[in-house]
Amino acid sequence: GQQVMQIPQYQHVQEGEDFTTYCNSSTTLSNIQWYKQRPGGHPVFLIQLVKSGEVKKQKRLTFQFGEAKKNSSLHITATQTTDVGTYFCASRPFGNEKLTFGTGTRLTIIP
Amino acid sequence: NAGVTQTPKFQVLKTGQSMTLQCAQDMNHNSMYWYRQDPGMGLRLIYYSASEGTTDKGEVPNGYNVSRLNKREFSLRLESAAPSQTSVYFCASRDRGFSTDTQYFGPGTRLTVL
Repeated sequence: GQQVMQIPQYQHVQEGEDFTTYCNSSTTLSNIQWYKQRPGGHPVFLIQLVKSGEVKKQKRLTFQFGEAKKNSSLHITATQTTDVGTYFCASRPFGNEKLTFGTGTRLTIIP
Repeated sequence: NAGVTQTPKFQVLKTGQSMTLQCAQDMNHNSMYWYRQDPGMGLRLIYYSASEGTTDKGEVPNGYNVSRLNKREFSLRLESAAPSQTSVYFCASRDRGFSTDTQYFGPGTRLTVL
């Protein structure tokens, strides 16, 4: 099955600094999804990328899918305290029900 | 529209006890899932149900059973709880459309097995 590695595991940033998390796979991914989980909460869907080289933006969040469809990144510009949480990437092969999650990057903000 | 609901929110069991975690969704989704989340391990799929009447094993099914009672409800049963099953359990359902593929998660059940 598809396996995705996510780095870094933890990231501490000053409020206002940028943040990036990376998701890597040794095999070509059909798609990539990103989820956010606030402390004590449940994962919430952010976005799905399907096309090679795709870039999508949601306000201060920028999501990229690599040209070879083996990696993806989530970049947050000018972090705010509301960005605190764990960010997961996930991938599901076409025609498959199983969504495989990365291990997540836990973001903490230093005010 | 409540989305995905789970009961109970918290549970403490003794080793060997059994319990059933309940999950329901009101979004008319076909697919439903059970995950467990342990520190540093991300979310691991226990069982899933692609449609009413079908269930399949995920990555970590040992020690669990599931029932897809109807389209709305998908329960997870621990027959003889073990300390290794201490975890946070999330139920999810899948919205699959022409241009969408989204999983909605319930609030979770925090289970401790002593």
